[in-house]
Amino acid sequence: KNEVEQSPQNLTAQEGEFITINCSYSVGISALHWLQQHPGGGIVSLFMLSSGKKKHGRLIATINIQEKHSSLHITASHPRDSAVYICAVHDTDKLIFGTGTRLQVFP
Amino acid sequence: DTGVSQDPRHKITKRGQNVTFRCDPISEHNRLYWYRQTLGQGPEFLTYFQNEAQLEKSRLLSDRFSAERPKGSFSTLEIQRTEQGDSAMYLCASSLGGNEKLFFGSGTQLSVL
Repeated sequence: KNEVEQSPQNLTAQEGEFITINCSYSVGISALHWLQQHPGGGIVSLFMLSSGKKKHGRLIATINIQEKHSSLHITASHPRDSAVYICAVHDTDKLIFGTGTRLQVFP
Repeated sequence: DTGVSQDPRHKITKRGQNVTFRCDPISEHNRLYWYRQTLGQGPEFLTYFQNEAQLEKSRLLSDRFSAERPKGSFSTLEIQRTEQGDSAMYLCASSLGGNEKLFFGSGTQLSVL
Protein backbone atom coordinates (compact mmCIF):
# COMPACT_ATOMS: atom_id res chain seq x y z
CA LYS A 1 0.00 0.00 0.00
CA ASN A 2 1.35 3.40 -0.98
CA GLU A 3 2.02 5.83 1.81
CA VAL A 4 0.16 8.53 -0.13
CA GLU A 5 -3.03 7.62 -1.93
CA GLN A 6 -4.97 9.90 -4.22
CA SER A 7 -8.46 9.54 -5.60
CA PRO A 8 -9.71 9.54 -8.18
CA GLN A 9 -6.87 8.61 -10.51
CA ASN A 10 -8.65 10.14 -13.47
CA LEU A 11 -11.34 12.78 -13.53
CA THR A 12 -13.25 14.40 -16.35
CA ALA A 13 -15.51 17.38 -15.89
CA GLN A 14 -17.50 19.91 -17.83
CA GLU A 15 -16.43 23.52 -17.65
CA GLY A 16 -17.93 25.18 -14.61
CA GLU A 17 -18.18 22.07 -12.47
CA PHE A 18 -16.92 21.90 -8.89
CA ILE A 19 -14.06 19.45 -8.56
CA THR A 20 -12.66 17.61 -5.56
CA ILE A 21 -9.47 15.59 -5.45
CA ASN A 22 -8.67 13.60 -2.33
CA CYS A 23 -5.41 12.61 -0.70
CA SER A 24 -4.93 10.18 2.18
CA TYR A 25 -1.61 9.39 3.80
CA SER A 26 -0.40 6.88 6.32
CA VAL A 27 2.76 8.49 7.70
CA GLY A 28 3.23 11.26 10.21
CA ILE A 29 3.81 14.48 8.37
CA SER A 30 4.91 18.03 9.02
CA ALA A 31 3.37 19.49 5.88
CA LEU A 32 1.43 18.55 2.77
CA HIS A 33 1.84 19.97 -0.71
CA TRP A 34 -0.55 20.15 -3.62
CA LEU A 35 1.25 20.37 -6.94
CA GLN A 36 0.10 20.85 -10.50
CA GLN A 37 1.91 19.19 -13.39
CA HIS A 38 1.21 20.07 -16.99
CA PRO A 39 2.15 17.94 -20.01
CA GLY A 40 5.86 18.36 -20.62
CA GLY A 41 6.73 17.91 -16.98
CA GLY A 42 6.67 21.34 -15.38
CA ILE A 43 5.52 21.16 -11.76
CA VAL A 44 4.09 24.13 -9.92
CA SER A 45 3.45 24.24 -6.20
CA LEU A 46 -0.14 25.25 -5.52
CA PHE A 47 -0.35 24.97 -1.75
CA MET A 48 1.64 23.93 1.27
CA LEU A 49 -0.49 23.08 4.29
CA SER A 50 0.17 22.00 7.82
CA SER A 51 -3.33 22.63 9.16
CA GLY A 52 -6.71 24.03 8.28
CA LYS A 53 -7.52 25.51 4.92
CA LYS A 54 -5.97 27.72 2.26
CA LYS A 55 -7.56 29.47 -0.70
CA HIS A 56 -6.04 30.94 -3.81
CA GLY A 57 -8.38 32.15 -6.49
CA ARG A 58 -10.62 29.26 -7.50
CA LEU A 59 -8.53 26.72 -5.63
CA ILE A 60 -9.12 25.63 -2.05
CA ALA A 61 -7.05 23.12 -0.11
CA THR A 62 -7.99 21.61 3.23
CA ILE A 63 -6.23 19.23 5.56
CA ASN A 64 -7.40 17.18 8.52
CA ILE A 65 -4.33 16.08 10.43
CA GLN A 66 -6.24 13.70 12.72
CA GLU A 67 -7.89 11.96 9.76
CA LYS A 68 -4.66 12.08 7.68
CA HIS A 69 -6.62 13.43 4.77
CA SER A 70 -6.49 16.42 2.48
CA SER A 71 -8.69 17.67 -0.33
CA LEU A 72 -8.12 20.01 -3.23
CA HIS A 73 -11.18 21.75 -4.58
CA ILE A 74 -11.50 23.66 -7.82
CA THR A 75 -14.52 25.90 -8.15
CA ALA A 76 -15.91 26.90 -11.57
CA SER A 77 -13.47 24.59 -13.38
CA HIS A 78 -12.02 25.68 -16.69
CA PRO A 79 -10.28 23.77 -19.51
CA ARG A 80 -7.00 25.42 -18.52
CA ASP A 81 -7.25 23.57 -15.20
CA SER A 82 -6.59 20.34 -17.12
CA ALA A 83 -3.43 18.88 -15.64
CA VAL A 84 -2.19 16.24 -13.24
CA TYR A 85 -2.64 17.20 -9.60
CA ILE A 86 -0.20 15.63 -7.18
CA CYS A 87 -0.35 15.41 -3.42
CA ALA A 88 2.98 15.16 -1.62
CA VAL A 89 3.72 14.90 2.09
CA HIS A 90 6.78 15.85 4.09
CA ASP A 91 8.00 12.75 5.93
CA THR A 92 10.91 14.07 7.99
CA ASP A 93 12.88 15.90 5.34
CA LYS A 94 11.84 14.18 2.15
CA LEU A 95 8.68 14.36 0.13
CA ILE A 96 6.56 11.32 -0.59
CA PHE A 97 4.37 11.78 -3.64
CA GLY A 98 1.04 10.36 -4.61
CA THR A 99 0.64 9.04 -8.14
CA GLY A 100 -1.45 12.01 -9.17
CA THR A 101 -4.97 12.69 -10.39
CA ARG A 102 -5.34 13.41 -14.10
CA LEU A 103 -8.00 16.05 -14.60
CA GLN A 104 -9.53 16.91 -17.93
CA VAL A 105 -12.03 19.75 -18.13
CA PHE A 106 -14.03 19.98 -21.33
CA PRO A 107 -15.65 23.16 -22.63
CA ASP B 1 16.01 35.27 -10.82
CA THR B 2 14.60 32.83 -13.33
CA GLY B 3 13.71 29.97 -11.03
CA VAL B 4 15.17 26.48 -10.99
CA SER B 5 16.91 25.52 -14.21
CA GLN B 6 17.98 22.09 -15.37
CA ASP B 7 20.30 21.11 -18.13
CA PRO B 8 19.96 19.38 -20.50
CA ARG B 9 16.20 19.19 -21.13
CA HIS B 10 16.60 15.93 -23.02
CA LYS B 11 19.33 13.34 -23.08
CA ILE B 12 19.46 10.26 -25.26
CA THR B 13 22.22 7.82 -24.52
CA LYS B 14 23.24 4.26 -25.20
CA ARG B 15 23.14 1.65 -22.49
CA GLY B 16 26.41 1.55 -20.59
CA GLN B 17 27.28 5.20 -21.10
CA ASN B 18 27.64 7.71 -18.28
CA VAL B 19 25.43 10.79 -18.12
CA THR B 20 25.49 13.90 -15.96
CA PHE B 21 22.68 16.34 -15.30
CA ARG B 22 22.91 19.77 -13.79
CA CYS B 23 20.48 21.71 -11.62
CA ASP B 24 20.77 25.38 -10.75
CA PRO B 25 18.43 26.19 -7.86
CA ILE B 26 17.05 29.58 -6.90
CA SER B 27 20.06 31.42 -5.56
CA GLU B 28 19.15 31.84 -1.89
CA HIS B 29 17.66 28.36 -1.51
CA ASN B 30 19.49 26.08 0.90
CA ARG B 31 17.61 22.90 0.10
CA LEU B 32 17.98 21.07 -3.20
CA TYR B 33 16.13 17.87 -4.03
CA TRP B 34 16.43 15.32 -6.84
CA TYR B 35 13.43 13.24 -7.89
CA ARG B 36 12.78 10.71 -10.64
CA GLN B 37 9.49 10.33 -12.43
CA THR B 38 8.40 7.62 -14.84
CA LEU B 39 5.39 7.82 -17.10
CA GLY B 40 2.11 7.76 -15.25
CA GLN B 41 3.73 7.80 -11.83
CA GLY B 42 4.33 10.46 -9.25
CA PRO B 43 7.89 11.62 -8.62
CA GLU B 44 10.09 9.46 -6.39
CA PHE B 45 12.59 10.90 -3.99
CA LEU B 46 16.25 10.28 -4.83
CA THR B 47 18.32 12.54 -2.61
CA TYR B 48 18.54 15.98 -1.10
CA PHE B 49 21.09 18.54 0.03
CA GLN B 50 21.13 21.12 2.76
CA ASN B 51 23.67 23.55 1.36
CA GLU B 52 26.59 21.34 0.29
CA ALA B 53 25.77 18.44 2.60
CA GLN B 54 23.95 15.45 1.16
CA LEU B 55 21.62 14.53 4.00
CA GLU B 56 19.64 11.60 2.68
CA LYS B 57 19.73 9.14 -0.18
CA SER B 58 16.90 6.92 -1.27
CA ARG B 59 17.45 3.20 -1.60
CA LEU B 60 16.49 3.83 -5.24
CA LEU B 61 19.87 5.50 -5.63
CA SER B 62 22.12 2.58 -6.48
CA ASP B 63 25.91 2.74 -6.50
CA ARG B 64 25.73 3.85 -10.13
CA PHE B 65 24.14 7.12 -9.06
CA SER B 66 26.04 9.95 -7.44
CA ALA B 67 25.02 13.50 -6.67
CA GLU B 68 27.06 16.47 -5.59
CA ARG B 69 26.50 20.05 -4.61
CA PRO B 70 30.08 21.19 -4.13
CA LYS B 71 29.60 24.83 -3.18
CA GLY B 72 26.04 24.70 -1.96
CA SER B 73 24.80 26.22 -5.20
CA PHE B 74 24.32 24.10 -8.32
CA SER B 75 24.09 20.33 -8.14
CA THR B 76 25.00 17.52 -10.49
CA LEU B 77 23.51 14.06 -10.74
CA GLU B 78 25.63 11.45 -12.48
CA ILE B 79 24.49 8.04 -13.61
CA GLN B 80 27.24 5.59 -14.52
CA ARG B 81 26.79 2.59 -16.80
CA THR B 82 23.25 3.57 -17.68
CA GLU B 83 20.57 0.91 -18.00
CA GLN B 84 17.29 1.02 -19.87
CA GLY B 85 15.48 1.12 -16.53
CA ASP B 86 17.11 4.47 -15.84
CA SER B 87 14.95 6.07 -18.52
CA ALA B 88 12.83 8.65 -16.73
CA MET B 89 12.33 12.33 -16.10
CA TYR B 90 14.83 13.59 -13.52
CA LEU B 91 13.44 16.53 -11.60
CA CYS B 92 15.22 19.01 -9.39
CA ALA B 93 13.53 21.22 -6.83
CA SER B 94 14.75 23.78 -4.34
CA SER B 95 13.39 25.51 -1.27
CA LEU B 96 14.53 27.99 1.35
CA GLY B 97 14.49 25.28 3.97
CA GLY B 98 12.66 22.24 5.17
CA ASN B 99 8.86 22.53 5.11
CA GLU B 100 9.05 25.44 2.72
CA LYS B 101 7.39 25.87 -0.66
CA LEU B 102 9.14 23.91 -3.37
CA PHE B 103 10.15 25.28 -6.74
CA PHE B 104 10.70 22.74 -9.50
CA GLY B 105 12.82 22.78 -12.59
CA SER B 106 11.46 21.58 -15.92
CA GLY B 107 13.33 18.31 -15.61
CA THR B 108 15.77 16.33 -17.72
CA GLN B 109 14.17 13.58 -19.79
CA LEU B 110 16.60 10.68 -20.05
CA SER B 111 16.17 7.97 -22.67
CA VAL B 112 18.53 5.02 -22.53
CA LEU B 113 18.56 3.00 -25.76
